[in-house]
Amino acid sequence: ETGVTQSPTHLIKTRGQQVTLRCSSQSGHNTVSWYQQALGQGPQFIFQYYREEENGRGNFPPRFSGLQFPNYSSELNVNALELDASALYLCASSFQDSPGEQYFGPGTRLTVT
Amino acid sequence: DAKTTQPTSMDCAEGRAANLPCNHSTISGNEYVYWYRQIHSQGPQYIIHGLKNNETNEMASLIITEDRKSSTLILPHATLRDTAVYYCIVRVDGGKLIFGQGTELSVKP
Repeated sequence: ETGVTQSPTHLIKTRGQQVTLRCSSQSGHNTVSWYQQALGQGPQFIFQYYREEENGRGNFPPRFSGLQFPNYSSELNVNALELDASALYLCASSFQDSPGEQYFGPGTRLTVT
Repeated sequence: DAKTTQPTSMDCAEGRAANLPCNHSTISGNEYVYWYRQIHSQGPQYIIHGLKNNETNEMASLIITEDRKSSTLILPHATLRDTAVYYCIVRVDGGKLIFGQGTELSVKP
């Protein structure tokens, strides 16, 4: 059984640029959630995807968008990066009927300069 | 609004039981209690969850009070590898996990 994987591991971008982060779900999981974790804080929910549709969103602006593909993998896109987007971005997969039992990837560390 | 209250930090001697408390006095009747942990620089790891009854798995035990206003996560024989931040989470609808600050558990030799 393959766990959740994320790429890239680390990324450095300049303010105003755009970034795409990728996530592969754990085998069989049909739901993907994305979280942002600032240094010293708990993860904050960005949004969730199920059946390729956004299925819930946290308090993040539209600059944060996502996609889910038929194989349940997912992307997180952030446009017009601001300095406060520097954080660890976590992807988690789950079954839709067990949404609280989520399995997280190792995260992508994004630094915006 | 995390809806849970946990101590900021705790210490535990290696080999002893670690008992991590969580207060969730405003929990609704259909809300589950979930526990996750996050070892430094890794993604959070699911541990256990429960609704009313006590639960046990290979990692830990979860004790929920009868009024469901608090719970305790028990690691029966803590090891150095259990050093992590432990999060108690009351699930909000749709699988949106709301993480608080958690408890930083330090297991000491």
